[in-house]
Amino acid sequence: KNEVEQSPQNLTAQEGEFITINCSYSVGISALHWLQQHPGGGIVSLFMLSSGKKKHGRLIATINIQEKHSSLHITASHPRDSAVYICAVRRGGSQGNLIFGKGTKLSVKP
Amino acid sequence: DAMVIQNPRYQVTQFGKPVTLSCSQTLNHNVMYWYQQKSSQAPKLLFHYYDKDFNNEADTPDNFQSRRPNTSFCFLDIRSPGLGDAAMYLCATSSRETGSNIQYFGAGTRLSVL
Repeated sequence: KNEVEQSPQNLTAQEGEFITINCSYSVGISALHWLQQHPGGGIVSLFMLSSGKKKHGRLIATINIQEKHSSLHITASHPRDSAVYICAVRRGGSQGNLIFGKGTKLSVKP
Repeated sequence: DAMVIQNPRYQVTQFGKPVTLSCSQTLNHNVMYWYQQKSSQAPKLLFHYYDKDFNNEADTPDNFQSRRPNTSFCFLDIRSPGLGDAAMYLCATSSRETGSNIQYFGAGTRLSVL
């Protein structure tokens, strides 16, 4: 079983829909990252969370440390939001490195 | 302006022919990472440098080497590329002093092996 699991793997939405992507992890962490990867490969860091909730524009990320679960929400989705969204965690007490989920491929249709 | 720059964006090499991928950063971060990402898979850490201290992941093949001549630059050397090494290679940086843990990624180099 992967240490970081994302769902769904693929998601198709209509423009304007509210979107939720979920991430569950099985290890103790010091931080959780949500990343966005567009076709062509470049990765952009969206959020880093260790507790609670963060909002940036139409994006909202939440984390529940007790349940080892995080969600990424996109409000009023737009075709330009189409990308792969990756959840990654940093182990608690570790000076390394990120453990990545396999990503959720989002397609937003006009 | 791009803060983590990878060159080239696309690299084609021949089976067995050594290839070097380049990463530079303008952030003055002390940590630099190299990840390999194969199609439809999550990025996999190959190794990282903390300043000049090299940290290799246990399952990184010997075929992959890295050099960090100074803070700004880090290179990934693939000594004898095989067909299975075709992938996207991602460079990232972070600053442990700030404690922010945020990693800044480059745009990646897509390697094809013929």
